[in-house]
Amino acid sequence: NAGVTQTPKFQVLKTGQSMTLQCAQDMNHEYMSWYRQDPGMGLRLIHYSVGAGITDQGEVPNGYNVSRSTTEDFPLRLLSAAPSQTSVYFCASSYRGGNGYTFGSGTRLTVV
Amino acid sequence: GQQLNQSPQSMFIQEGEDVSMNCTSSSIFNTWLWYKQEPGEGPVLLIALYKAGELTSNGRLTAQFGITRKDSFLNISASIPSDVGIYFCAGQLMKAAGNKLTFGGGTRVLVKP
Repeated sequence: NAGVTQTPKFQVLKTGQSMTLQCAQDMNHEYMSWYRQDPGMGLRLIHYSVGAGITDQGEVPNGYNVSRSTTEDFPLRLLSAAPSQTSVYFCASSYRGGNGYTFGSGTRLTVV
Repeated sequence: GQQLNQSPQSMFIQEGEDVSMNCTSSSIFNTWLWYKQEPGEGPVLLIALYKAGELTSNGRLTAQFGITRKDSFLNISASIPSDVGIYFCAGQLMKAAGNKLTFGGGTRVLVKP
């Protein structure tokens, strides 16, 4: 049972480039979320999904897009990377009625 | 923006001592969660609290859900070196869209040199 799998683990982008951070879970969880973690600021919610085909914005959605075509996958797209998007990104999933979320091990992104 | 204030921001532990940290909110939550994060990994759930006043233990960890539903604390008893890491509190509104989590800024636990 792999849980929540994120790829890649590390990535360096140039300003203006686009890329997709991958997230997959094998626990049949309905809910999935993307967070970013910056020093001293905890984790902030970027986008979330309550099921396939349904997504919504979190606290810091600007510059990011998501889609949820299957229950298992929830990719995060950076449309035009900016240095302010340098961060560690975490994907997480949860049962609809469950407590808390299960987190992946993160993607460390640097934009130069 | 972020609603949870977590303190202290960092602390040093000496093996065998008890330590505590707390989290306060400007909003009410119906679930409080405590996570631990180690370097290079994602947060791992330690304790979940569901009712105001609830006191729950997980081994040497004890957490309480404040009666106002706006605060929670976590105690670690008899610290050991592997307790080092970042501890996060999170408030959750169950039955709100996505059961979203709101995180505190974290308490970094370090070992006294």
